[in-house]
Amino acid sequence: DQQVKQNSPSLSVQEGRISILNCDYTNSMFDYFLWYKKYPAEGPTFLISISSIKDKNEDGRFTVFLNKSAKHLSLHIVPSQPGDSAVYFCAASEATGGFKTIFGAGTRLFVKA
Amino acid sequence: DGGITQSPKYLFRKEGQNVTLSCEQNLNHDAMYWYRQDPGQGLRLIYYSQIVNDFQKGDIAEGYSVSREKKESFPLTVTSAQKNPTAFYLCASSIVGGWETQYFGPGTRLLVL
Repeated sequence: DQQVKQNSPSLSVQEGRISILNCDYTNSMFDYFLWYKKYPAEGPTFLISISSIKDKNEDGRFTVFLNKSAKHLSLHIVPSQPGDSAVYFCAASEATGGFKTIFGAGTRLFVKA
Repeated sequence: DGGITQSPKYLFRKEGQNVTLSCEQNLNHDAMYWYRQDPGQGLRLIYYSQIVNDFQKGDIAEGYSVSREKKESFPLTVTSAQKNPTAFYLCASSIVGGWETQYFGPGTRLLVL
């Protein structure tokens, strides 16, 4: 049973346009959400996070939106750059759950020049 | 430079053989984790450790063992009981706390001969 789902295995976007990566979750106890970025043959690196008390968090070109009622979050990248081409993992955890962070399967983003 | 190192980058296992994957961190993090990544799936937690000499099973611990004798080191042994060991293995660390960002190593790809 996948508690964190990224239903789009891949996404292709033109350079300069917006990339929107989506993530759905089923566990209403999750209260902290993260996005990680992964290049081939490397480990994931933290990109941006949001706690459940917020509905938006912005860091430069990256913005994460959280819709708790829909159990949905999304990552917006504006403008997209070729260097953004990578796999993006959505992850969720609960403060009382301690150390179990649940990861989605990832979405591979291709940004075309 | 602080970070996490994993070795080797590629590892080959023969039938019935135990192999050990190394993970070392110099970030002074108390918590360390091992994940397995298979194609089309998210990162699945194998084991985690919050403190030296203590570790807990994750979601897919069968066929694996770990030790945590030093804060900096968290080796993972893939035993002969793990019937499908071919995967990409990622080690991570974080400070203690349910919401903390995890820092990942570059990963080890394990292949069965």
